[in-house]
Amino acid sequence: GAGVSQTPSNKVTEKGKYVELRCDPISGHTALYWYRQSLGQGPEFLIYFQGTGAADDSGLPNDRFFAVRPEGSVSTLKIQRTERGDSAVYLCASSPLGAGIDEQYFGPGTRLTVT
Amino acid sequence: GNSVTQMEGPVTLSEEAFLTINCTYTATGYPSLFWYVQYPGEGLQLLLKATKADDKGSNKGFEATYRKETTSFHLEKGSVQVSDSAVYFCALSPSGGSYIPTFGRGTSLIVHP
Repeated sequence: GAGVSQTPSNKVTEKGKYVELRCDPISGHTALYWYRQSLGQGPEFLIYFQGTGAADDSGLPNDRFFAVRPEGSVSTLKIQRTERGDSAVYLCASSPLGAGIDEQYFGPGTRLTVT
Repeated sequence: GNSVTQMEGPVTLSEEAFLTINCTYTATGYPSLFWYVQYPGEGLQLLLKATKADDKGSNKGFEATYRKETTSFHLEKGSVQVSDSAVYFCALSPSGGSYIPTFGRGTSLIVHP
């Protein structure tokens, strides 16, 4: 079946603009995760959803970052007033209910460039 | 806090050479350890894992042994192929099965024919 998909694959925006990044998880997966991968670094956890609610948003760097998952499927990561330091690859992963991290399936990522 | 340290890349090898990518970690308790691989243009994929000391994870000819005494989880393969060219990430998950992993910065492997 289809894997995790993310759109767009690339996004270039100007400093100060608002962006939305979309993640379509694997059908039936209840858990959804967002990570940020800066150049030359490993993925860093941002936020975790179980169903529609954010179970853990401790990784969000500041209040410019927000994520939603209104129907428990598709999720959108929203970044307000973008800064050049937000440039990174944003990864999404999903997993079945109760799964550990070894059952997280990752999407290909969205590369965000803030100019 | 938890951390994972990987050797700097890129690692460049000829086909059929022996591969070692070093990984050491800092964590309290008894974390689970993982290696992920990211092929060009694709998402991260779990390569192998080990959940307790002295466990050996293996997959696709790759192996790694959980060494608690040296807090290491080095990745090895006896004979690499061009198709193994990718970025490899070592990661840990804290004791108790937390879903929040800590990743290393990744090591790029380039295999030449």
